Amino acid sequence: AQKVTQAQTEISVVEKEDVTLDCVYETRDTTYYLFWYKQPPSGELVFLIRRNSFDEQNEISGRYSWNFQKSTSSFNFTITASQVVDSAVYFCALSEVQAGANNLFFGTGTRLTVIP
Amino acid sequence: DAGVIQSPRHEVTEMGQEVTLRCKPISGHDYLFWYRQTMMRGLELLIYFNNNVPIDDSGMPEDRFSAKMPNASFSTLKIQPSEPRDSAVYFCASSFIIGPTYEQYFGPGTRLTVT
Repeated sequence: AQKVTQAQTEISVVEKEDVTLDCVYETRDTTYYLFWYKQPPSGELVFLIRRNSFDEQNEISGRYSWNFQKSTSSFNFTITASQVVDSAVYFCALSEVQAGANNLFFGTGTRLTVIP
Repeated sequence: DAGVIQSPRHEVTEMGQEVTLRCKPISGHDYLFWYRQTMMRGLELLIYFNNNVPIDDSGMPEDRFSAKMPNASFSTLKIQPSEPRDSAVYFCASSFIIGPTYEQYFGPGTRLTVT
């Protein structure tokens, strides 16, 4: 079974628009970690955020914000006032403590294109 | 810190040849991971090490793949013999678990093409 689902394969927005990337996860662990990574066209994977299952506080970092809702098993990522440099593939990932908290299960990614 | 270093960045080889991918983790990190990224399967974990010891190699596709970590600053992923379906981007990542929190830092990847 897919542990992390990113239903949006591709999204295009015009610069300065807000955009939300969806992530739904599945786990039986009570303790787990959720991550977002960015993969720009250059190919590297850049860590954006980590959230543990006991911390449901939303987080804001500049134009980025994350909405973690355990009730719906979702960890959505919003970019406010998008910029061309935000164009990338974004991956949501899950790590389960029972599995050793070392194995990252990645979603299939959402390709975001920001049109100038 | 220089981050995770991988070499080569690109590798083109013919089917049947041996391929060796190299990784230098971030100094002080005690976990090292090898991932493969393809269009069909996305990002998948192949194997990971803790303190140079392989912990989980269940993601290694078959016996043609092998990985070693002879010391804390170096790891290799070897494919012998290589096949066209091995064409992918291979990422190495490292992490250091402090208490309940950690994150994996990825290298730039090695793009492997097997013709």
